[in-house]
Amino acid sequence: DTEVTQTPKHLVMGMTNKKSLKCEQHMGHRAMYWYKQKAKKPPELMFVYSYEKLSINESVPSRFSPECPNSSLLNLHLHALQPEDSALYLCASSQVRDIDNEQFFGPGTRLTVL
Amino acid sequence: DQQVKQNSPSLSVQEGRISILNCDYTNSMFDYFLWYKKYPAEGPTFLISISSIKDKNEDGRFTVFLNKSAKHLSLHIVPSQPGDSAVYFCAAVILTGGGNKLTFGTGTQLKVEL
Repeated sequence: DTEVTQTPKHLVMGMTNKKSLKCEQHMGHRAMYWYKQKAKKPPELMFVYSYEKLSINESVPSRFSPECPNSSLLNLHLHALQPEDSALYLCASSQVRDIDNEQFFGPGTRLTVL
Repeated sequence: DQQVKQNSPSLSVQEGRISILNCDYTNSMFDYFLWYKKYPAEGPTFLISISSIKDKNEDGRFTVFLNKSAKHLSLHIVPSQPGDSAVYFCAAVILTGGGNKLTFGTGTQLKVEL
């Protein structure tokens, strides 16, 4: 299984809502990532988890709260978002080692904040 | 501060010819580099990588060249096929010991015409 799955595919939420994005992989990868991609821009790293611990937070606002409940799952909890947070949110996973550690990406969740 | 740049936002090539996509970077601390291909509404798909200690890596129709002194890399696709039409991102990696920190370039839209 070389797939990273993300749910939901699309999400529309108001600025006062609380929602969560989910990501799952069964490749035995021990690093997982969240990226944000705006239209016509490259993906930008948000968070990195290594062995279920947060290792990198790229100064992301606290209205985004990541969680890694086990080695296969990664969540992104959303609360009090702004319309400018509308974007494609991508999850990725990789091995934690110095070679053959390319990141495998899921299809993304298209988020619209009204 | 865009550390990884792809100066050509778009490239059009005829089927069967060579496609050359270019990428420049500014940070000499990058450990290795990757190329990803992305279709709309999908996550990026890994194509090929190259370590910063090598100058060439080949995989089928794809070859990546690295010129470390010029801080430049390129992806050659030979022969180009219509299915290669997509956005191509180069990405640079810093190994952190806890997952890897990946910085994407700005992307090049490749169109392979019949």
